[in-house]
Amino acid sequence: GAVVSQHPSRVICKSGTSVKIECRSLDFQATTMFWYRQFPKKSLMLMATSNEGSKATYEQGVEKDKFLINHASLTLSTLTVTSAHPEDSSFYICSSSALAAEQYFGPGTRLTVT
Amino acid sequence: QKEVEQDPGPLSVPEGAIVSLNCTYSNSAFQYFMWYRQYSRKGPELLMYTYSSGNKEDGRFTAQVDKSSKYISLFIRDSQPSDSATYLCAMSANDYKLSFGAGTTVTVRA
Repeated sequence: GAVVSQHPSRVICKSGTSVKIECRSLDFQATTMFWYRQFPKKSLMLMATSNEGSKATYEQGVEKDKFLINHASLTLSTLTVTSAHPEDSSFYICSSSALAAEQYFGPGTRLTVT
Repeated sequence: QKEVEQDPGPLSVPEGAIVSLNCTYSNSAFQYFMWYRQYSRKGPELLMYTYSSGNKEDGRFTAQVDKSSKYISLFIRDSQPSDSATYLCAMSANDYKLSFGAGTTVTVRA
């Protein structure tokens, strides 16, 4: 399967600060990248869909000004959590897709906001 | 009613047994069906990808899709302790957005 990396794998930040998470598609050019959030023992919740060079499409209930997504190239997408609060603490996972619905996921980033 | 229903288990089987997992769904527009394996604190790993109805086999894994019943299955033969994980079904329509099941936690006992 395709390889997708995420950085950092874990991050702890103070309330009010911003955190950037990178998602890279290492061995293929991803036409579309997705960002998910996963709470403990819960399934994945889609936050937004991004296509290279265009604005991200956010799911209902996801604040686009809080979760800034940039998809600068076919291999890199970034998620910035702005003015983070403890309730933003979660496991954030990205995925990349080159063909239809086949998505390959990154290893995830665990964010803890203190 | 959730769009995708999956029994969260947990499911515990002895080593060598067949693991049987399934999901039901309500959206008739779903065309793409996937099974992912997720280990604790890791991202999901794509196991099987199927378009429309039918069966697909890959090593010890067999995926079945019955669109008329809105029912998909994953079978794991000769299960191993390393198969212990959470298994997520996922599906999408032509917008390629995935809808996930809740995930089934599987433990294979040595």
